[in-house]
Amino acid sequence: GAVVSQHPSRVICKSGTSVKIECRSLDFQATTMFWYRQFPKQSLMLMATSNEGSKATYEQGVEKDKFLINHASLTLSTLTVTSAHPEDSSFYICSAFSLGTPSYEQYFGPGTRLTVT
Amino acid sequence: AQSVTQPDIHITVSEGASLELRCNYSYGATPYLFWYVQSPGQGLQLLLKYFSGDTLVQGIKGFEAEFKRSQSSFNLRKPSVHWSEAAEYFCAVGGVGSSNTGKLIFGQGTTLQVKP
Repeated sequence: GAVVSQHPSRVICKSGTSVKIECRSLDFQATTMFWYRQFPKQSLMLMATSNEGSKATYEQGVEKDKFLINHASLTLSTLTVTSAHPEDSSFYICSAFSLGTPSYEQYFGPGTRLTVT
Repeated sequence: AQSVTQPDIHITVSEGASLELRCNYSYGATPYLFWYVQSPGQGLQLLLKYFSGDTLVQGIKGFEAEFKRSQSSFNLRKPSVHWSEAAEYFCAVGGVGSSNTGKLIFGQGTTLQVKP
C-alpha cells in the first residue's frame, strides 16, 4: 500500500503558541487528505477533508480558524493548530486518498502526538 | 444516518484461541467495509476490505471477515490469536459509487487483550 508520513511524530508546545503538522503522501498523488483527531481510548473523529487546491471542508463543531488546513500539492497537507491550549492535546492522524486508485482505500499516517503545556 | 457500531468495547481471549469481533453498520446501500488495527501510539493498518463479490474476505495476518447483508454486519475473525495481536481494532464504512468521497465512518473500536 501507499506510504504516508507525518512530521513531527511528537510535539510539545506551550499554551498560546501555534504548531504545524505535516502530512506527506510519499508514493502516490492524493487528491484528498483527511485529518482526524483521536483521544485516548477513543475512536478517530474526522476533523476535516482537504482537497488539493481548494479550501478544506470542516466537520461540524471543528473550528476552522483554530485548525488551519492547507493542501497545496497532491503530496502535502498541513494542519496548523493555532493558539494551542491544553484541551487541544491529542493524537492527530492524517490519511491520503485518491479516487483514481482502484482500491478506494485511505492510507494512514503514523500520527502526531501533540501535548500542550 | 450512517453509523457503525462495534458492540464489544473490550474483549479478552487466550493466546491460541479463536477471535470474532463484531461490527454492524447502518447505511443506505451496501457500503465499502474495512477493518483496521491500531497498535498503541501508532497509525492504522488495513487488515482487509470488502467492496463487492465474495462475501468472505481474506486479509493479512490470517484475518478474515464475512459480509452479511441481511444482518448489516461485517464481523472480523481469526482462528488463532497471537499475543502480539493485542491492539485496538476499528471497523469502518465508506460510500460507494457517486457517494464515494473517500470519507470513512469509524466504529468506536474494540480493544483486544490476549492472555498468555
